[in-house]
Amino acid sequence: ETGVTQSPTHLIKTRGQQVTLRCSSQSGHNTVSWYQQALGQGPQFIFQYYREEENGRGNFPPRFSGLQFPNYSSELNVNALELDDSALYLCASSLAPTGAQGTQYFGPGTRLTVL
Amino acid sequence: AQTVTQSQPEMSVQEAETVTLSCTYDTSENNYYLFWYKQPPSRQMILVIRQEAYKQQNATENRFSVNFQKAAKSFSLKISDSQLGDTAMYFCAFMKPANTGNQFYFGTGTSLTVIP
Repeated sequence: ETGVTQSPTHLIKTRGQQVTLRCSSQSGHNTVSWYQQALGQGPQFIFQYYREEENGRGNFPPRFSGLQFPNYSSELNVNALELDDSALYLCASSLAPTGAQGTQYFGPGTRLTVL
Repeated sequence: AQTVTQSQPEMSVQEAETVTLSCTYDTSENNYYLFWYKQPPSRQMILVIRQEAYKQQNATENRFSVNFQKAAKSFSLKISDSQLGDTAMYFCAFMKPANTGNQFYFGTGTSLTVIP
């Protein structure tokens, strides 16, 4: 069974640019959630996708957007990058959005640095 | 708004001893889930234990157990027979399921060091 994978591992961008981060969910998982983890902080929930539809969103501006594809892999897009967007971005997948099957399995993360 | 508070930024424990990590949360919801996650220095987050709010029985997973006090909104993690591999950052997390979309909240973490 393949776990959650994310690409790229590291990324450096400049302020104002756009970035796309990718996540492949664990086999059989139809739900993907994205988190932002600043250095020394706990993860902050960005949004969740279930069967290609957004299924919950945290307190992030619209320049944070996402997609989920028919194979349940997912992308996180961030436009107009700001310095404060520098963080570790975590993806987590689960068998279902909630309930006993809602247990999330995390990927290793993408470290984004905005200069 | 839901909040999760971990009041112990750092803790240490001798190998083979027991340690308890504290977590409190604030919510007006009755149906929710609580989790403890472990993030070792290699950074991949791993689920340690989960608790459904409607279950009165405290969850247990091998050496890990919780003390869930719903009225007090407290959810502490007890690690028995601590091992060197338990050294990690531990996060308490809260999930609120909702028809309008799920919401997840994490605490700021407790850095646990197991001393040989």
